Amino acid sequence: DIQMTQSPSAMSASVGDRVTITCRASQVIRNHLAWFQQKPGEAPKRLIYTISSLQTGVPSRFSGSGSGTEFTLTINSLQPEDFATYYCLQHSSYPLTFGGGTKVEIK
Amino acid sequence: EVQMVESGGGLVQPGGSLRLSCAGSGFTFSDHYMDWVRQVPGKGPEWVSRIRNKGDGYNTEYAPSVKGRFTISRDDSKDSLYLQMNSLKIEDTAVYYCVRGCGSTSCSDGYSSYMDVWGKGTTVTVSS
Repeated sequence: DIQMTQSPSAMSASVGDRVTITCRASQVIRNHLAWFQQKPGEAPKRLIYTISSLQTGVPSRFSGSGSGTEFTLTINSLQPEDFATYYCLQHSSYPLTFGGGTKVEIK
Repeated sequence: EVQMVESGGGLVQPGGSLRLSCAGSGFTFSDHYMDWVRQVPGKGPEWVSRIRNKGDGYNTEYAPSVKGRFTISRDDSKDSLYLQMNSLKIEDTAVYYCVRGCGSTSCSDGYSSYMDVWGKGTTVTVSS
């Protein structure tokens, strides 16, 4: 199984901050990487697919980058509605695996 | 509006069975791969199973934790997805989500619809 190591597991940030979340895969996953946002009591919501493609309707302050085994989700100018938990997902091979999550809290 | 609505969750004893259903609407259900993903409250999501579309032979995949116990199926005439869960264990307790997958054979759509729409989930509790 491909392990997805996400960091940090939690962070505190202020509105307007730039936030960076990293996911490291245990092996090369090509462009088979997506990012999700989840708020309490809701289903995950896809933000980014194939490393850097922005989901329709998602604000442009969200961006993804990376290659090989190292990937990053960046949120520029954090907004109040961005406080949530974020997960990466690899779909290069079965079983599909999610990262452990990053909870972004208000400082 | 594209949506999926899950049903069939509930309380079941260890060793018991349950069948989850998911009704899709607002899109051409038969074109898409479909997945089940589960999540224990307070934990991260866990992928459970996938069924491909007709063009890819309705082939299926399972997480090791459920292989041999769970069976995914679909009825494209009813725009519906199913998950038959047998020999349930306490650790199967979770919210189960129905998730839309690729919208073309071999995901030739560039993954544009890969896990882009999730249902609200149905809760499965395995307890004596």
